[in-house]
Amino acid sequence: GAGVSQSPSNKVTEKGKDVELRCDPISGHTALYWYRQSLGQGLEFLIYFQGNSAPDKSGLPSDRFSAERTGGSVSTLTIQRTQQEDSAVYLCASSLGLAGNNEQFFGPGTRLTVL
Amino acid sequence: TQLLEQSPQFLSIQEGENLTVYCNSSSVFSSLQWYRQEPGEGPVLLVTVVTGGEVKKLKRLTFQFGDARKDSSLHITAAQPGDTGLYLCAGARNTGGFKTIFGAGTRLFVKA
Repeated sequence: GAGVSQSPSNKVTEKGKDVELRCDPISGHTALYWYRQSLGQGLEFLIYFQGNSAPDKSGLPSDRFSAERTGGSVSTLTIQRTQQEDSAVYLCASSLGLAGNNEQFFGPGTRLTVL
Repeated sequence: TQLLEQSPQFLSIQEGENLTVYCNSSSVFSSLQWYRQEPGEGPVLLVTVVTGGEVKKLKRLTFQFGDARKDSSLHITAAQPGDTGLYLCAGARNTGGFKTIFGAGTRLFVKA
């Protein structure tokens, strides 16, 4: 596809379960970003990838969160032992390069609900 | 902690009115972007400003970057219902790494 895609679009899970969120960036985009957006809030920066490398993981909320990117393309965000406070929309974006003035193209997000 | 504060948080106006949305920080940014987000979708870039004092116009939207590159404003002239959405500012700093900080957004509703 032409844009960033994310799957699933919606995920409802029970507290304590693990979830995996997927992001397919625009082909050729070397930079990939994950954000979290809670209801009525702005975007919380989680992690970025330059290629397959994530130089700074300090934005991840806890050690239950992890992310990886393979082949310089698809990325997965994994949340282990989900908690109710993890409920949010998880947005992925990609850009041609890493510079801050590059346009980030966002996917539609995955809405995660933890019961 | 770097913060980007946006004001107002919510704005409901009549079609044809003018409005200004503000984005303020105590930190200096190398660039600042404005995005618009509609329900169920990701944000879409409107503009990027990189030079202090820069003014950019996009049809009825005027964006300004503060001289010190700590703040920005978005002015909409003669608002239309199609302008309804969540407006987000995002500041970037390229200092030995990368981080983009988003403001909490201004939710605009334009009534016909």
